[in-house]
Amino acid sequence: EVQLVESGGGLIQPGGSLRLSCAASGFTVNSKYMTWVRQAPGKGLEWVSVISGSGDTYYADSVKGRFTISRDNSKNTLYLQMRSLRAEDTAVYYCASSTSGSFAYWGQGTLVTVSS
Amino acid sequence: YVLTQPPSESVAPGQTARITCGGNNIGRSKSVHWYQQKPGQAPVLVVYDDSDRPSGIPERFSGSNSGNTATLTISRVEAGDEADYYCQVWDGGSVLFGGGTKLTVL
Repeated sequence: EVQLVESGGGLIQPGGSLRLSCAASGFTVNSKYMTWVRQAPGKGLEWVSVISGSGDTYYADSVKGRFTISRDNSKNTLYLQMRSLRAEDTAVYYCASSTSGSFAYWGQGTLVTVSS
Repeated sequence: YVLTQPPSESVAPGQTARITCGGNNIGRSKSVHWYQQKPGQAPVLVVYDDSDRPSGIPERFSGSNSGNTATLTISRVEAGDEADYYCQVWDGGSVLFGGGTKLTVL
């Protein structure tokens, strides 16, 4: 059974850093496109970043240069390193895995709150 | 590339809901995927590759994609279908979501 479990969210001050984790089971993270999607309170889904099976990475303009997506194949875990956090980064962050372009499996989300 | 969805739609139980996702020549250039999201829950894939359904999704959910509009159709709407619906495509290496449509079941 495929399962994705996010962790690492919390309250962080503006300008701070945080690393989110997404532990996968039922498949290997390096076999699929893996993505991070966020949702600010009361807002829609916003794509953040994606890593391909071969390791290519892409970022939304709003996070480029501040966020880094990576994975640890030995731990079968996806990461999102977030730096220089801003109030507008406050959101629930979801990880999801792609099957032929669509995201069939999602984690439960982890809340990141950027506030002083 | 921009995906445009109406903010809201409303439908009576038993009727048919149609939720649109507009994009430039979307029917010829993009494969569209649709997600349902209920409050406090993660999104759920309900239609992929324009018109295919994942296992476990009722046949009442269907999709089409032509011209400048992709459409998610929900037949025989039930109260449990009330949710936010998002379309999604790939644009190069980036993922795009529409703004979402809140479906209200009257």
